[in-house]
Amino acid sequence: DTGVSQDPRHKITKRGQNVTFRCDPISEHNRLYWYRQTLGQGPEFLTYFQNEAQLEKSRLLSDRFSAERPKGSFSTLEIQRTEQGDSAMYLCASSPRERRYEQYFGPGTRLTVT
Amino acid sequence: GENVEQHPSTLSVQEGDSAVIKCTYSDSASNYFPWYKQELGKRPQLIIDIRSNVGEKKDQRIAVTLNKTAKHFSLHITETQPEDSAVYFCAADRYSGTYKYIFGTGTRLKVLA
Repeated sequence: DTGVSQDPRHKITKRGQNVTFRCDPISEHNRLYWYRQTLGQGPEFLTYFQNEAQLEKSRLLSDRFSAERPKGSFSTLEIQRTEQGDSAMYLCASSPRERRYEQYFGPGTRLTVT
Repeated sequence: GENVEQHPSTLSVQEGDSAVIKCTYSDSASNYFPWYKQELGKRPQLIIDIRSNVGEKKDQRIAVTLNKTAKHFSLHITETQPEDSAVYFCAADRYSGTYKYIFGTGTRLKVLA
């Protein structure tokens, strides 16, 4: 499968713990997005990378959230001191240089905070 | 702020009938409007898209129309099949140095055999 991959697919954690998710975009895609999706809603934008530079962060991304894309390839999203309200599906998407409008999504990481 | 409204939230049709899902966006600077299909537990899949310089686009049984003046765009599925059952999301881009999407709230389509 040469699509966007995310790991882990599911994560259950206790409130207050830190979690980290990984996204591997499609090879050669230079743009990478993180979204959050809660039940019954559409995905909401969290942050955007062009190559290794984080160019935009949503107001949804509190200080407990941090994202990196150190070499312009895979990306990580870390949530510190998780809260029950962080429970959601975290989706990653990537875009190719030549068709920058298009975004291809990964399968997501479902986070449950107990 | 920018938002995308989508309706209906649920839609049931008989197999072979047509289905129409409508979206309205607020940001007049939006130029790109993708539609995604999401089956239970799976990733959103891009099924069709339209740019603002085009009024209509068709791909086999799926078509999308755009009325930029009214800020409306719609998804049309003809000759529906049970495998079309899924949640469909519309989105509009919001260029701000990125091409992030603003998504609608989704339409759960059920095609009854």
